[in-house]
Amino acid sequence: EVQLVESGGGLVQPGRSLRLSCAASGFSFENYAMHWVRQAPGKGLEWVSGISFSSVDIAYADSVKGRFTISRDNAKKSLYLEMNSLGHEDTAVYFCARVTLEYWRLFDLWGQGTLVTVSS
Amino acid sequence: IVLTQSPATLSLSPGGTASLSCRASQSVPSNYLAWYQQKPGQAPRLLIYGASNRAAGIPDRFSGSGSGTDFTLTISRLEPEDFAVYFCQQYGRSSFFGPGTKVDIK
Repeated sequence: EVQLVESGGGLVQPGRSLRLSCAASGFSFENYAMHWVRQAPGKGLEWVSGISFSSVDIAYADSVKGRFTISRDNAKKSLYLEMNSLGHEDTAVYFCARVTLEYWRLFDLWGQGTLVTVSS
Repeated sequence: IVLTQSPATLSLSPGGTASLSCRASQSVPSNYLAWYQQKPGQAPRLLIYGASNRAAGIPDRFSGSGSGTDFTLTISRLEPEDFAVYFCQQYGRSSFFGPGTKVDIK
């Protein structure tokens, strides 16, 4: 089955760190760019970060630049998001998403998401 | 590019037709405009890309139109499973989503 499964979310105190993972299955993960998109409770979608299939090209939203690091391990078919200096504004469901082969930011497959709550 | 969606909420009956608007603050390059459907507690699902192309497996009651700064998602013959939130997204040089339109049952 073609799917993405996120893990690693939870409750974390402000200023602390958290690492999210996304396990891919059912498709050739190594051929696709991958992204993280988040959704604050009751809010819309916000693109967070993206990484090319080879990890050569990486991009971040201004809101997370310098605090978050995206990475991937094609051998393990896994995508990661290292989040540092977390603030209340980072509270959200984090989705990993695959993009199409043609378009860097067109998301054609999404995971179910993992909730990150930043609170003391 | 800032995307504005209207209305915020659309209340319709099953079998009806929904018309959702997405307006961009400037012209969307190459009509790189997509629509997604999201149901409560679920991940978004790609419906339309390139303003008018249906994604794989999407029923033909979903159609997209428009160009430049004005785009529309039309859902004909509303089915119970179509009541959800719909987001537009421009996927050109950067990625921005609209705030969403909720289609609920009247």
